[in-house]
Amino acid sequence: DAGVIQSPRHEVTEMGQEVTLRCKPISGHNSLFWYRQTMMRGLELLIYFNNNVPIDDSGMPEDRFSAKMPNASFSTLKIQPSEPRDSAVYFCASGLAGPQFFGPGTRLTVL
Amino acid sequence: KQEVTQIPAALSVPEGENLVLNCSFTDSAIYNLQWFRQDPGKGLTSLLLIQSSQREQTSGRLNASLDKSSGRSTLYIAASQPGDSATYLCAVLNTDKLIFGTGTRLQVFP
Repeated sequence: DAGVIQSPRHEVTEMGQEVTLRCKPISGHNSLFWYRQTMMRGLELLIYFNNNVPIDDSGMPEDRFSAKMPNASFSTLKIQPSEPRDSAVYFCASGLAGPQFFGPGTRLTVL
Repeated sequence: KQEVTQIPAALSVPEGENLVLNCSFTDSAIYNLQWFRQDPGKGLTSLLLIQSSQREQTSGRLNASLDKSSGRSTLYIAASQPGDSATYLCAVLNTDKLIFGTGTRLQVFP
């Protein structure tokens, strides 16, 4: 298994632009998580899905952030419009009633 | 609100030493506790998961213990090697969310 796959690995964009991050979880996992990591705040859970349904999005910082999971093998995290304070590493993780397995992350820089 | 603290924040040791990383949490109502390793610029690698009913887990040179009543976990690394250099994160599962500590940055020098 290739593990959790995220794309792109790096994204540099300008303030106000739309950013879409993508995640392919490990096959067979029924939970998917989006995290954000910054030096100031560490790792924070943004939203998670169970069986493709959003369960808790209380960690989503603002309405500019949205996430979808149209099927069991794909999820997106969208930021529109992006702001410099959104610069961070965004991780996707998946799991099946046990440990979570993390992707390599997307490093987002908003200028 | 669950809070997870890790001490020390950074640690530098010579190769071969046995060392202990500490993790404490404020709410003992957890389902499990997980230790991760993060290399610079990389994602997280799960090392050990301890269920709330367990006291410890071992994998190779790593041993993690859990004392739920006191809100503490330790990660013991035996005979440390330069390849162990990384940031180590503990995370507790509360209901259905993982709450992460701030990590211990470990450097093992030859």
